[in-house]
Amino acid sequence: GAVVSQHPSWVICKSGTSVKIECRSLDFQATTMFWYRQFPKQSLMLMATSNEGSKATYEQGVEKDKFLINHASLTLSTLTVTSAHPEDSSFYICSAREGSILHGNQPQHFGDGTRLSIL
Amino acid sequence: GNSVTQMEGPVTLSEEAFLTINCTYTATGYPSLFWYVQYPGEGLQLLLKATKADDKGSNKGFEATYRKETTSFHLEKGSVQVSDSAVYFCALRGSTGANNLFFGTGTRLTVIP
Repeated sequence: GAVVSQHPSWVICKSGTSVKIECRSLDFQATTMFWYRQFPKQSLMLMATSNEGSKATYEQGVEKDKFLINHASLTLSTLTVTSAHPEDSSFYICSAREGSILHGNQPQHFGDGTRLSIL
Repeated sequence: GNSVTQMEGPVTLSEEAFLTINCTYTATGYPSLFWYVQYPGEGLQLLLKATKADDKGSNKGFEATYRKETTSFHLEKGSVQVSDSAVYFCALRGSTGANNLFFGTGTRLTVIP
């Protein structure tokens, strides 16, 4: 089946540093990738939708200058948390959807998530 | 708009007990409905889905029926096992727009021997 690899799985870093999270579709082309954030005891919240070759679409309340998303190829999207602070500590999950943007009903495949801890 | 309301946990059951996790939704159009499972330390996995009214999704002994009249998609399993301990998310995908998923808050299930 379709596999999405997310890296790293866990990162601990000091406040003020930037952290990059990668999301790769290993055996399919993903025109669209989604980035979610999961707060403790809360649901997954969509942060942004990225389409290959174009700017990401951010959800209301998500700072695009804080959470930089790059979807440079059909198999790779990156999320960079810039100047991270303790309140950015969370679990971030990406998902990738097969096919073109016209095929909206294609399933989403999820990465295993990245636990980010900012000290 | 689209939203999912899910039964809050945590839920603790003995092995072989019957499981029900309630999920109701609000949506425009004709959404698809999903249950995802997140095992400890892992990412989300699709458990089952239903794409139209009266469809029943099933997998690994879990079932859920798409009830349009009650806007519900309750997850059931007749006999849970310790290995079913996980967090379960109900989700909806709208029929229009970017087709992203809307998730419930998740329900943590712990099955004890």
